[in-house]
Amino acid sequence: ILNVEQSPQSLHVQEGDSTNFTCSFPSSNFYALHWYRWETAKSPEALFVMTLNGDEKKKGRISATLNTKEGYSYLYIKGSQPEDSATYLCAFKGTYKYIFGTGTRLKVLA
Amino acid sequence: EAQVTQNPRYLITVTGKKLTVTCSQNMNHEYMSWYRQDPGLGLRQIYYSMNVEVTDKGDVPEGYKVSRKEKRNFPLILESPSPNQTSLYFCASRPDTFMNTEAFFGQGTRLTVV
Repeated sequence: ILNVEQSPQSLHVQEGDSTNFTCSFPSSNFYALHWYRWETAKSPEALFVMTLNGDEKKKGRISATLNTKEGYSYLYIKGSQPEDSATYLCAFKGTYKYIFGTGTRLKVLA
Repeated sequence: EAQVTQNPRYLITVTGKKLTVTCSQNMNHEYMSWYRQDPGLGLRQIYYSMNVEVTDKGDVPEGYKVSRKEKRNFPLILESPSPNQTSLYFCASRPDTFMNTEAFFGQGTRLTVV
């Protein structure tokens, strides 16, 4: 059974804090790892598509790293702002499957 | 504006009454798919389509049908809805089938079957 796990399930941070969360995925048959940001009552929006071991991607204060050999990706948010509050989803694409994690729900407190 | 449009956004229906949720994209994307989101579970794929007239089952296809007669439209059909199909549904599209391109999601359809 292929599993994609995200941790923590939820967290609260203070405005200005930096934070990070993890996506674990199968280390075999890797094709791509996607990160999405999903605000309540909206649709998920793509943040990053990562395909190569050692990839690092950055978009403003948000960045992500990828380790395909050990099967994990980290998402970092530097200097969190209230507008960063959302659920962050990762999705693993293997040879035959595209599997979403259950997400990390982030709440940034002003 | 590039977008994926789902309708309706909210729907309450009764068991057994056939319904269709529409999905349309204006980006000429080849790949379209349907997901359902349930509490405590990740987005689960119901059906996907790699191009016109090409559809295939995802992880949870039971009780659903789809069609892809035109590139832009990918409706989800529930022939005889049951309460366990109460869920939040998302349609998504991407440019190609290679999965290293980002997906664009619709706004979601919250379906309640009573």
